[in-house]
Amino acid sequence: AQKITQTQPGMFVQEKEAVTLDCTYDTSDQSYGLFWYKQPSSGEMIFLIYQGSYDEQNATEGRYSLNFQKARKSANLVISASQLGDSAMYFCAMRDITSGTYKYIFGTGTRLKVLA
Amino acid sequence: DVKVTQSSRYLVKRTGEKVFLECVQDMDHENMFWYRQDPGLGLRLIYFSYDVKMKEKGDIPEGYSVSREKKERFSLILESASTNQTSMYLCASSPGGGSPLIESPLHFGNGTRLTVT
Repeated sequence: AQKITQTQPGMFVQEKEAVTLDCTYDTSDQSYGLFWYKQPSSGEMIFLIYQGSYDEQNATEGRYSLNFQKARKSANLVISASQLGDSAMYFCAMRDITSGTYKYIFGTGTRLKVLA
Repeated sequence: DVKVTQSSRYLVKRTGEKVFLECVQDMDHENMFWYRQDPGLGLRLIYFSYDVKMKEKGDIPEGYSVSREKKERFSLILESASTNQTSMYLCASSPGGGSPLIESPLHFGNGTRLTVT
């Protein structure tokens, strides 16, 4: 069965430092997409970055980059130069085909706290 | 910008009541989803729909049903609410079909926090 695992319930990082949030996934499909979302305390879910399973380069979006290691089935989010506003829950998600239809599966999340 | 609107931000219902959670999207998306979010459990998929009148069970459909009579509206129904259904409910939508290789993120509503007493 498809599954997303985020093993870090909580993380702390000093402001201006980089931080890596871990995500591993399990799927038997060859074609899949991986997403990261940010959920601030306000509750909205904000899409951050996407990686397709056949993308040869790691995705980057501003201060966000995705360390994609296909053989290890990991898709870690790297946030560079952390800011206080990065404090939030972060969810890794996967979209793949299950029983003929596509659905999105989420991990349990990592709560990041940026320290001044 | 895609807008997904959930009818209520907060709801308080009694055990045994029938509860309707409504979700409307304005971008003509084929796919719509209902998730519940609980601390330590992340987002779990209840039901999703990829077309009008079509529905698929997610990972935790028990105790829930859904309705999609119009493309823009996806309703979650708790036939007889129970205290273990107290949770945050998130509705989301995405464009239809295509490959998972195409960037097609979910667009979320702001959530409905349901308390069943």
